[in-house]
Formats: sequence, C-alpha cells, structure tokens
Amino acid sequence: DVKVTQSSRYLVKRTGEKVFLECVQDMDHENMFWYRQDPGLGLRLIYFSYDVKMKEKGDIPEGYSVSREKKERFSLILESASTNQTSMYLCASSAVGKANTEAFFGQGTRLTVV
Amino acid sequence: AQSVTQLGSHVSVSEGALVLLRCNYSSSVPPYLFWYVQYPNQGLQLLLKYTTGATLVKGINGFEAEFKKSETSFHLTKPSAHMSDAAEYFCAVSDGLDGNKLVFGAGTILRVKS
Repeated sequence: DVKVTQSSRYLVKRTGEKVFLECVQDMDHENMFWYRQDPGLGLRLIYFSYDVKMKEKGDIPEGYSVSREKKERFSLILESASTNQTSMYLCASSAVGKANTEAFFGQGTRLTVV
Repeated sequence: AQSVTQLGSHVSVSEGALVLLRCNYSSSVPPYLFWYVQYPNQGLQLLLKYTTGATLVKGINGFEAEFKKSETSFHLTKPSAHMSDAAEYFCAVSDGLDGNKLVFGAGTILRVKS
C-alpha cells in the first residue's frame, strides 16, 4: 500500500520557535509538496520539489523554508513560528508524467502556535 | 494561472438523494482535473480524475464526474447519498507542468441527513 507519512499528527509550539515538519514517502516519487489547509481557503501550496535538493516556491512561501536531501524525505521548516501559522499542514507526493499526475497525501499535521 | 471555484461551501442532502457538488476551473492549457475527499482528521483521498479520453469519469464509492470543456466545469455527482459520504470534498486542477502541482478549490462540506 502506497504511503506518505508525516512525523506528527499534532504539534504545539511557542511563538518564535523553529519548527520542523517531516514527510516521508515510500513510492519513489520525484515530486513532493507542502500544502497548508485553512477553513474556507482550501489547500494552498507552500513549496514543492521535483528532485533532490531542488525546491520551488508555491503561492504562500513567506515564513517557511524546505529541505530535500533525500528523494523520499521532504521537510518543512518554520524559521520562527508565529500564531498566524497555526494551521493544518499536508504533505503530498506524485510521480512525473502526465498519465500519473495523481498526488498522494499524508494524514496531516495540525500545528498550533501559542 | 489556474484557479478552481467550488460553488457552495456547505451542501446538505437527505440520505438516498442525489449528490451534486459543483466545480468550475480556469486553465490556459488542457487541464487535468481531480476530486479528492477528506474525512475528519484525515488526509485527502483521491475520488476520481480526468486526464484525457472519456469525459465521464467514474470513481470510488459510486461517485462520478463529467468534464465539460465548453462550460469549464467538472461537477461531482452520486445518485444516492449515504451517511458515510459526509466529508469535505475538494476539486483540483493541474496543467501537468511545474512538478504536476495541484491548485485546489476552497472545498465543499457535504452533510447527509437521515
């Protein structure tokens, strides 16, 4: 069974902390994504990566960075957490090729910044 | 730039009634279209996708959607709602470029009344 695993389901962090959200996929996918989900706004793309050590900004990259040192792992970093980053974070992966554009999602990490 | 509009943030139907969730998209190139479902406290699961070929697409759990290029629509339907269909549904579009990133609509919460 294909799987995208996010390291934490729930996190509570303090304002100003550096926060790491980890995501691992076991499908040998080239593409990986980090989305943020907020009520009424759907999913918004923060960053994506189409290869190891490659990264591209999505629609809302401010306040975030990413790291992809290995193909299967894609990390989202909040350099200095703020309360407006309280949200659900979803990681996804997909293969290259137009016939395989389906994205597989992890269970999500609900982050609360206090 | 691509965009997705889902009409109706909340839809309520009776058990056994027709489910219709509306999705309109904007894309400058032939789109790839997706419907995902999210159950409470879970990640997103693919219901169905349109890439090329037949415009009526059948998915899991009895759902189907029809791609209508002239109307730029991809509405999701199910003939008879079941209580287990209560969830949030997201329509998404991809142009197959930029790592196959998806652009999501704001989501529609489906409520099924007994």
